[in-house]
Amino acid sequence: GAVVSQHPSWVICKSGTSVKIECRSLDFQATTMFWYRQFPKQSLMLMATSNEGSKATYEQGVEKDKFLINHASLTLSTLTVTSAHPEDSSFYICSARPGQGYEQFFGPGTRLTVL
Amino acid sequence: GQNIDQPTEMTATEGAIVQINCTYQTSGFNGLFWYQQHAGEAPTFLSYNVLDGLEEKGRFSSFLSRSKGYSYLLLKELQMKDSASYLCAVRDSYSGGYNKLIFGAGTRLAVHP
Repeated sequence: GAVVSQHPSWVICKSGTSVKIECRSLDFQATTMFWYRQFPKQSLMLMATSNEGSKATYEQGVEKDKFLINHASLTLSTLTVTSAHPEDSSFYICSARPGQGYEQFFGPGTRLTVL
Repeated sequence: GQNIDQPTEMTATEGAIVQINCTYQTSGFNGLFWYQQHAGEAPTFLSYNVLDGLEEKGRFSSFLSRSKGYSYLLLKELQMKDSASYLCAVRDSYSGGYNKLIFGAGTRLAVHP
């Protein structure tokens, strides 16, 4: 149990285009979902936290207009990278937390490459 | 500020024991996690400590001292498949309706035959 999926697993796009990444909790309802970014050989950096039915909470330094997050249901959150640039190339990982439990379950990640 | 320190790299021999240390200075504390992450994959949960002491789970054990801001992950009977990055993460205090995780940079462990 407690499986989180992400789609796509990798994407290559041209500079200036927008990319949408989906995060789904397959066998549980996720009240809260988290979006992280990880650059090579670096740690996971929390970008934002989304709660179903409310606006996402962004970490300091993360542009909310560039990284649009929608938590439309208890099993789906989406991250849209708008007007992507090469510096946005990274590994994007989501996690989901059921209810008020302490554990987060991570998705397999999406590798974004912007040319 | 928030700071989590762990060694960048470690090497060990198959069958041996290795200890990965983590020290933290965070504004709040509501538990400490250890995750394993293979290259290009998502982190997988290993352990969670919220009280001082040792938690043992098979070949993996994790220790926490809150007064010292210190934790370690102990891996016994190392196997080649244990070669991965090990991430220490502190759960921040409850704020704004949720607890967020603050990750260390990770320790890359290489297990040799």
